Amino acid sequence: QAVLTQPSSLSASPGASASLTCTLRSGINVGTYRIYWYQQKPGSPPQYLLRYKSDSDKQQGSGVPSRFSGSKDASANAGILLISGLQSEDEADYYCMIWHSSALVFGGGTKLTVL
Amino acid sequence: QVQLVQSGSELKKPGASVKVSCKASGYTFTSYAMNWVRQAPGQGLEWMGWINTNTGNPTYAQGFTGRFVFSLDTSVSTAYLQISSLKAEDTAVYYCARSYCGGDCSQDYWGQGTLVTVSS
Repeated sequence: QAVLTQPSSLSASPGASASLTCTLRSGINVGTYRIYWYQQKPGSPPQYLLRYKSDSDKQQGSGVPSRFSGSKDASANAGILLISGLQSEDEADYYCMIWHSSALVFGGGTKLTVL
Repeated sequence: QVQLVQSGSELKKPGASVKVSCKASGYTFTSYAMNWVRQAPGQGLEWMGWINTNTGNPTYAQGFTGRFVFSLDTSVSTAYLQISSLKAEDTAVYYCARSYCGGDCSQDYWGQGTLVTVSS
């Protein structure tokens, strides 16, 4: 079982909100991890969006709009990237990442379609 | 402004070697770690490891030991990734990405990527 699992795709309408999940493998407690989120558009390198561990340990990437925010769902053992007020330019692949067992681990990515 | 500029695409035959460069500018090179990330065609991101730009000490992720070497030339603020004994499955885009630390830190700036194609 992968360390981080993301839905392969998600669709949402312009102006709506999208909630992208990153589920940690059973036995790995989401509460103890900083979860990093990256956005990647076709033909471009990933761009750092934000980091979220708790409301007292979070960081927004430089220049990243506040409509991108992070949270956790402890009951689902998952990190969440919430994008509000969706715009067409938000259509991209989104990756989560954690530092686990002395290595950086990426999720498989979610392709967000805005239509 | 911070920039990481990588060398151009490479086409190599199986068994050959390749060296990818990542030239940093706009910040003090030795104040940040440098990571390497691989992305196979149509696939996700895979962390290869990082190099301490102060000491030159590399750390390789599982699966990237033996044929992969990280190195530096601090005089020109450049990090290198060398891959030897290339295989078809090494075909990928390779990114360098800086981070404040070598560990639980974000990669805030990325190079544009270097496509390495391994084909006979």
